[in-house]
Amino acid sequence: DAKTTQPPSMDCAEGRAANLPCNHSTISGNEYVYWYRQIHSQGPQYIIHGLKNNETNEMASLIITEDRKSSTLILPHATLRDTAVYYCIVRVNTGTASKLTFGTGTRLQVTL
Amino acid sequence: DTGVSQNPRHKITKRGQNVTFRCDPISEHNRLYWYRQTLGQGPEFLTYFQNEAQLEKSRLLSDRFSAERPKGSFSTLEIQRTEQGDSAMYLCASSLDVSDGYTFGSGTRLTVV
Repeated sequence: DAKTTQPPSMDCAEGRAANLPCNHSTISGNEYVYWYRQIHSQGPQYIIHGLKNNETNEMASLIITEDRKSSTLILPHATLRDTAVYYCIVRVNTGTASKLTFGTGTRLQVTL
Repeated sequence: DTGVSQNPRHKITKRGQNVTFRCDPISEHNRLYWYRQTLGQGPEFLTYFQNEAQLEKSRLLSDRFSAERPKGSFSTLEIQRTEQGDSAMYLCASSLDVSDGYTFGSGTRLTVV
């Protein structure tokens, strides 16, 4: 699976949009981009994933560049409860695909 | 359905003892995963089951570690002769399809003293 690069930490004011970047310059054509987050002392939580088109759900939006070498997770109105470590992961989705390979993620701190 | 359940939440054991953790996945999920997480690091993959078949094991899963999923439902992870380096959070996750996001449990925190 391709490796990803994320900033170690970011701050965001409550109510503002949080834009979390991820570089995956070696991504293959059949690899998807997944985002998870982990709030302290809990298991990771799935947020969103996509292949090449932008995706939106009730939690966030995922913007993938046309060349697919980077992506941005957008939390449109961050709240204090969004303070967490956010992981960007790329992975194939073939029938036997299994593991997600987590990096160290971005620690997002949402402040008043 | 209450999600993925892991028991116990915390386990303190003496070095050299054996420990066993249990994971109950979401009932219709046929894929089950075990991960380990140490402080400040992201989760590391240990092993993966599809139904009762163990299809992949990480090299992190030494011969002291064994995982089972006997009827394709719950799973157990056993660590024999625990070492202090085994202290970590052990996470279980499940999914229905390969493309689905995983649902993780809250983990079992193991402390080896």
